[in-house]
Amino acid sequence: GQQVMQIPQYQHVQEGEDFTTYCNSSTTLSNIQWYKQRPGGHPVFLIQLVKSGEVKKQKRLTFQFGEAKKNSSLHITATQTTDVGTYFCAGGNTGGGNKLTFGTGTQLKVEL
Amino acid sequence: DGGITQSPKYLFRKEGQNVTLSCEQNLNHDAMYWYRQDPGQGLRLIYYSQIVNDFQKGDIAEGYSVSREKKESFPLTVTSAQKNPTAFYLCASSLHNTEAFFGQGTRLTVV
Repeated sequence: GQQVMQIPQYQHVQEGEDFTTYCNSSTTLSNIQWYKQRPGGHPVFLIQLVKSGEVKKQKRLTFQFGEAKKNSSLHITATQTTDVGTYFCAGGNTGGGNKLTFGTGTQLKVEL
Repeated sequence: DGGITQSPKYLFRKEGQNVTLSCEQNLNHDAMYWYRQDPGQGLRLIYYSQIVNDFQKGDIAEGYSVSREKKESFPLTVTSAQKNPTAFYLCASSLHNTEAFFGQGTRLTVV
């Protein structure tokens, strides 16, 4: 079945440093979504990418969808303590339907 | 106030018992999902439903059962056949191929 992997699993940064998490799927995706889960909370939607090679920005966050629609990345510029949490990608399958396969997640810790 | 509601927030189960987790949404979403999250782990799909009276197994369906008799409701039963049920359970809903909205989750502990 479809597998979605993320690296790294954990990342500790100093406040102000940049952060990137990478997402790789074993199959071609119809779309990629990104979610953020704060400690003790539930995943909250950040963005969806649909087109091959698409790039979207939200303030300090930059999201990319690969040309082959099998990988994606999330880059945070100048991290802040409010960025702490686990970031998940989720891939939509090309076979139709709504099945979302979540990646393994990257846990980000930001230190002052 | 639209949203997706899970109950209870915490649930304790004795070994050998079945328990049912509730998930209700008033967002008029067709698709609903159940995920399991273990400490420090990602989300694994248990079951999902794209329409009323239809549902499909996810990656870890063994030991679980669901029903989708109403559009708004997608309860999950954790049966005694699930050997390691202690986990955080998340329900979500969505329109077709759009963002998923998650409930607050139910933390199940076997005692």
